[in-house]
Amino acid sequence: GQNIDQPTEMTATEGAIVQINCTYQTSGFNGLFWYQQHAGEAPTFLSYNVLDGLEEKGRFSSFLSRSKGYSYLLLKELQMKDSASYLCAVTDSNYQLIWGAGTKLIIKP
Amino acid sequence: DAMVIQNPRYQVTQFGKPVTLSCSQTLNHNVMYWYQQKSSQAPKLLFHYYDKDFNNEADTPDNFQSRRPNTSFCFLDIRSPGLGDAAMYLCATSRDRGGTDTQYFGPGTRLTVL
Repeated sequence: GQNIDQPTEMTATEGAIVQINCTYQTSGFNGLFWYQQHAGEAPTFLSYNVLDGLEEKGRFSSFLSRSKGYSYLLLKELQMKDSASYLCAVTDSNYQLIWGAGTKLIIKP
Repeated sequence: DAMVIQNPRYQVTQFGKPVTLSCSQTLNHNVMYWYQQKSSQAPKLLFHYYDKDFNNEADTPDNFQSRRPNTSFCFLDIRSPGLGDAAMYLCATSRDRGGTDTQYFGPGTRLTVL
């Protein structure tokens, strides 16, 4: 079966750095997305990786290793508004998007 | 601003009473999706339209139907809502299908079934 694993919940301190991991087992791979979802709101696009390596976008970076079936989202200089769920989603060989359940990130002052 | 709009944001219905949720987009995207999301769970794809081509997920109950009368609008009909259908319903669009195009989501409709 197809599976995406993310930690259920993480806690970090304002101003710090946090890394949210995602591992996947899918039938093929055609890209990986990270979305941010605030409580009660819709997901918003953060990043898309299809090649190995690190993609940096402001305070957020996303890393992909296809050989390891692994990605992480790195958030720097954490702000209280970063408290949200972070969803990892993978496109499989049939170009279907497989979603993880998300990691709830709690930021403490 | 180009966007995805969902109405209403909150919908309360009674057990078994049909309900319709609506979605509109100004992005002129070819693909529109409907997802169901329950608390702390992954979004679950119900179906999608590629232009007028309707694609139903294999495990989507018959209780759920959809219409796309034109490029801009898409509707989700729940014929006989049960308590288990209480969830957030998310509409999303993408320029093309294939799972590599970014999906843009509306704000969602939270459905309560009494």
